[in-house]
Amino acid sequence: EVQLVESGGGLVEPGGSLRLSCTVSGFTLSNAWMSWVRQAPGKGLEWVGRIKNKADGGTADYAAPVEGRFTISRDESKNTLYLQMSSLTIEDTAVYYCTTDPPRDWGQGTLVIVST
Amino acid sequence: QAVLTQPSSLSASPGASVSLTCTLPSGINVGTFRIYWYQRKPGSPPQYLLRYKSDSDKQQGSGVPSRFSGSKDASANAGILLISGLQSEDEADYYCMVWHISAWVFGGGTKLTVV
Repeated sequence: EVQLVESGGGLVEPGGSLRLSCTVSGFTLSNAWMSWVRQAPGKGLEWVGRIKNKADGGTADYAAPVEGRFTISRDESKNTLYLQMSSLTIEDTAVYYCTTDPPRDWGQGTLVIVST
Repeated sequence: QAVLTQPSSLSASPGASVSLTCTLPSGINVGTFRIYWYQRKPGSPPQYLLRYKSDSDKQQGSGVPSRFSGSKDASANAGILLISGLQSEDEADYYCMVWHISAWVFGGGTKLTVV
């Protein structure tokens, strides 16, 4: 059974940084393309970015609002995907979901609140 | 201009069939896209329902009932999620998604009420 478990969310001040983790099981992370998707309170779904597997180059693509501020990486020895977020703004407040790519399997999400 | 436009809300009766639309702007041909559909209920993550490009290029999500199906309306330049035999548990938000210019793009979502 495929499982994705996010962690690392919390309260952070504007301008701060946070790293989210997504531990996967039921499939081999090294073979998978993975994405992050977020949903702000009362808003719709918004794709954040994705990372390809090494066989396909291992590169990452990002949505325009987070380009240059967010970085997706993976540690295959730990079966874990990461989302490093910096220069956070209030508009980054959302539940962040880890997904396979294309998004089929989803984690439960982790809440990030950017506030003073 | 939004890439994917969905009606903000829709209501239908139990047992009825309902079509949820996902419209692309003119100049972007719906025929070239795989359209993904998701269901989102409060307190739960989105669930992948299906993917549809054509009758020969489609995929049903694991465990998703066959009363959920996809199609396209070329004249309206839209993707369609058809839900037949509506049940109360189908009340949810529904989102469409496509890959466009190096990004996954979601529609704004349709809130479906079953009354």
